[in-house]
Amino acid sequence: GQQLNQSPQSMFIQEGEDVSMNCTSSSIFNTWLWYKQEPGEGPVLLIALYKAGELTSNGRLTAQFGITRKDSFLNISASIPSDVGIYFCAGPNFGNEKLTFGTGTRLTIIP
Amino acid sequence: SAVISQKPSRDICQRGTSLTIQCQVDSQVTMMFWYRQQPGQSLTLIATANQGSEATYESGFVIDKFPISRPNLTFSTLTVSNLSPEDSSIYLCSVEATSGAFLYNEQFFGPGTRLTVL
Repeated sequence: GQQLNQSPQSMFIQEGEDVSMNCTSSSIFNTWLWYKQEPGEGPVLLIALYKAGELTSNGRLTAQFGITRKDSFLNISASIPSDVGIYFCAGPNFGNEKLTFGTGTRLTIIP
Repeated sequence: SAVISQKPSRDICQRGTSLTIQCQVDSQVTMMFWYRQQPGQSLTLIATANQGSEATYESGFVIDKFPISRPNLTFSTLTVSNLSPEDSSIYLCSVEATSGAFLYNEQFFGPGTRLTVL
């Protein structure tokens, strides 16, 4: 089946630093989604990408849909303490609404 | 986007018992999904629950272990039966819904139910 691998697995950064993480797939996706999960909560949808090459921003977050349709990256600029959490990429399986989730990137901000 | 609540938020259960988790949505939705998130892991889809039909289970998940009800368009339950410590996980429901922030219907998640089996 489809697999989504995220890197890095975890990040420890200083407040104010920029963050970059990516997601790669063994197969093509037509949609890329980025979710954030905070402790004790369900994932919250941050950004949705629908076209190869698309670059979309949501505040300090920017994500791009790779040209090959097999990868996506998420950048966070000027990180703040509330950015802490686990970031998941996800995409619908071809032909249906079921989502495959990536392995996740855990972001920790060092005070 | 839809507002989703789950009950209970957490529970501690004994081996061999069962736990039923409720998922309530504030609007009518066609597609509801149940996921499992094992400790430190990503989300894995258990089943898709559509109103008026039997749930569709993913590979590795069976109805006897994870019976699901979907009596109407705003509510669903997932039961985790014959509990063992390996069932200790977060169980999440999600719905496919519209949000003005996104071009198409996307999946939105409830807060999850954290289950610990002793």
